[in-house]
Amino acid sequence: QQPVQSPQAVILREGEDAVINCSSSKALYSVHWYRQKHGEAPVFLMILLKGGEQKGHDKISASFNEKKQQSSLYLTASQLSYSGTYFCGTRGEDTGRRALTFGSGTRLQVQP
Amino acid sequence: DTEVTQTPKHLVMGMTNKKSLKCEQHMGHRAMYWYKQKAKKPPELMFVYSYEKLSINESVPSRFSPECPNSSLLNLHLHALQPEDSALYLCASSQTRAGGPDTQYFGPGTRLTVL
Repeated sequence: QQPVQSPQAVILREGEDAVINCSSSKALYSVHWYRQKHGEAPVFLMILLKGGEQKGHDKISASFNEKKQQSSLYLTASQLSYSGTYFCGTRGEDTGRRALTFGSGTRLQVQP
Repeated sequence: DTEVTQTPKHLVMGMTNKKSLKCEQHMGHRAMYWYKQKAKKPPELMFVYSYEKLSINESVPSRFSPECPNSSLLNLHLHALQPEDSALYLCASSQTRAGGPDTQYFGPGTRLTVL
């Protein structure tokens, strides 16, 4: 079942912050975040595993609330290079099924 | 090195043609994937190979035929496609350690146009 992402789109000025949410109706084993620029492949950002944790590098971080089956991606002090479509991919607790189901995506545009 | 390569980058084919897409990785990953992505949509899983065996087929029409000749290579054979099959075809690979993270790394994709 496809996870639900919100918002669908967001426009920021450089230096502003944004939060992208991803929620699932089923129990998750892991949440994977990707950024895709137009005409390019999705680029891996980070993975969060069951157990509830927060990760981050540079000004991008993410959290995973296992009780709510929700993950959030935090973009702070946004840069022009952050523009693109962000997808969360989820993997269910059936660990024998090695596959991701992607949310519909959040289009992020950072303006000067 | 987290590189997955795909060839060709672009492909235009007629509905009666037979063509193949190729994907290669040298990261020692034993799981490989084919996804299809339409414009402004998320990637949709087509096939998963684990240790060179087909483990998931998401009810993909038989005009798409995957093949995994060895642990580094993944092919997608195309035959009698329809115009609605035009899309970006993405290959990905991941490790297969039990209980470990299975980060999928994507190749640049093949942009397929069916006339």
